[in-house]
Amino acid sequence: AQSVSQHNHHVILSEAASLELGCNYSYGGTVNLFWYVQYPGQHLQLLLKYFSGDPLVKGIKGFEAEFIKSKFSFNLRKPSVQWSDTAEYFCAVSRGSQGNLIFGKGTKLSVKP
Amino acid sequence: DTGVSQNPRHKITKRGQNVTFRCDPISEHNRLYWYRQTLGQGPEFLTYFQNEAQLEKSRLLSDRFSAERPKGSFSTLEIQRTEQGDSAMYLCASTHSGGTDTQYFGPGTRLTVL
Repeated sequence: AQSVSQHNHHVILSEAASLELGCNYSYGGTVNLFWYVQYPGQHLQLLLKYFSGDPLVKGIKGFEAEFIKSKFSFNLRKPSVQWSDTAEYFCAVSRGSQGNLIFGKGTKLSVKP
Repeated sequence: DTGVSQNPRHKITKRGQNVTFRCDPISEHNRLYWYRQTLGQGPEFLTYFQNEAQLEKSRLLSDRFSAERPKGSFSTLEIQRTEQGDSAMYLCASTHSGGTDTQYFGPGTRLTVL
């Protein structure tokens, strides 16, 4: 079945540690890729997105993601996390012009001060 | 606040009752999406509208579910004869158009069916 997989359910890091969250998808053809974040008590908001061009995408708050087509991956990275990055992170894919997002199950990130 | 709004924020109902949720998108956004999110899962697509036309419905949207977007502005999602399995967060998102455009999400309506 077509899906989006996020490898880690819960990641715990100390402040200043580097972060990489994995995301793989199983769709062929052209896809649009997104990372959304949900801070505690807040609604989903976009971190970054990729649809064409440079496969290394920079988003808000120092996050970046790299699209590797051969690996069907779109991993999220941040060189140095902060306590305020504690949140749940969702990878999502859309195809074509319909735009409906297919989400992974999410990864909870806890950053210890 | 000019973001997506949803009402009510919480709804508790008894099994078998009907419930209706409302979503007000960002003004001038043509597309409106409904998603459902259960505990430990990412949001799952239910349906979407381009203006007032409902263009796609997920197989998750059983015949007890109906959505409307009269006049292409706000949208309602109705669940008839609620079941305990309907308990979830119902999310609405809007965007100018599909594909690569960012979807802006509302805060959601949390439904609890007793």
